[in-house]
Amino acid sequence: DIQMTQSPSSLSTSIGDRVTITCRASQSIGKYLNWYQQKPGKAPKLLIYAASSLHSGVPSRFSGSGSGTHFTLTISSLQPEDFATYFCQQTYSIPITFGQGTRLEIK
Amino acid sequence: QVQLVESGGGLVKPGGSLRLSCAVSGFTFSDYYMSWIRQAPGKGLEWVSYISSSGETIYYADSVKGRFTISRDNAKNSVFLQMSSLTADDTAMYYCVDRKCSGGGCYSDYWGQGTLVTVSS
Repeated sequence: DIQMTQSPSSLSTSIGDRVTITCRASQSIGKYLNWYQQKPGKAPKLLIYAASSLHSGVPSRFSGSGSGTHFTLTISSLQPEDFATYFCQQTYSIPITFGQGTRLEIK
Repeated sequence: QVQLVESGGGLVKPGGSLRLSCAVSGFTFSDYYMSWIRQAPGKGLEWVSYISSSGETIYYADSVKGRFTISRDNAKNSVFLQMSSLTADDTAMYYCVDRKCSGGGCYSDYWGQGTLVTVSS
C-alpha cells in the first residue's frame, strides 16, 4: 500500500497568512494526487486534482504543485472560510489512500 | 444539480449486517465509477470500495474484503454497500462519492452528505 504522510498535522495561522501543507508518498505516484477540504460536520470538498489542477469554483488563492513523491498545497492569503482540515489523496494505485489530515486553526 | 443521497445507516450490533444505499441524480450515473469512503468519528478518511460504471470491475480495501459487497443498479441510478460481520472498527460516517478520471488524474468531485453506521452492543 502507498502511505501518504502530511505535515504538519495542525497549524495555527492568521488571516492573510500564506500557508503551505506538504504531502509525501511512500513511492512515486506521478501526479495522481488530490487535495480536499473538510469542515466540521460536512463532507470533504475537492480543491485540487492531478496535483496542480484547480477544481471548478475553487478560489485561485489555492494552488497545488509537485509530482512523484512530494506535493504541496498552498493557500496564498488565508481567508476566514479556509479554517478547516485538509487531506491529500493518492489515486495512483489500489488501495486508494489518504494523508492523515492537516487542521488549520486560528491563531 | 448533482445530488448523492445516502441512506441505510444506523445502530447495529457486532456481527450484524446493514445495507447502505446511495441515490444519485444530476449526472449520467451509468457513465461513472462510484466509490464508498468512510470516516470514523474524529478520524481521517478511508477508502472502502469502488465499482466500475458497468459493475464488472470492483475493488475493496483489505479491511472490508470478504465482508462488504458493493453493487449498483444503473436503471435506478443507485449504488449499494452490503455490510456484514460488522465490528466496532466499522463505526463511521459512510460517504458515497463519484470517481472521475481526466486531466491526468482520478478524483471525486461529488460527495453525498454521509450516512452514519454505529456498531455497538
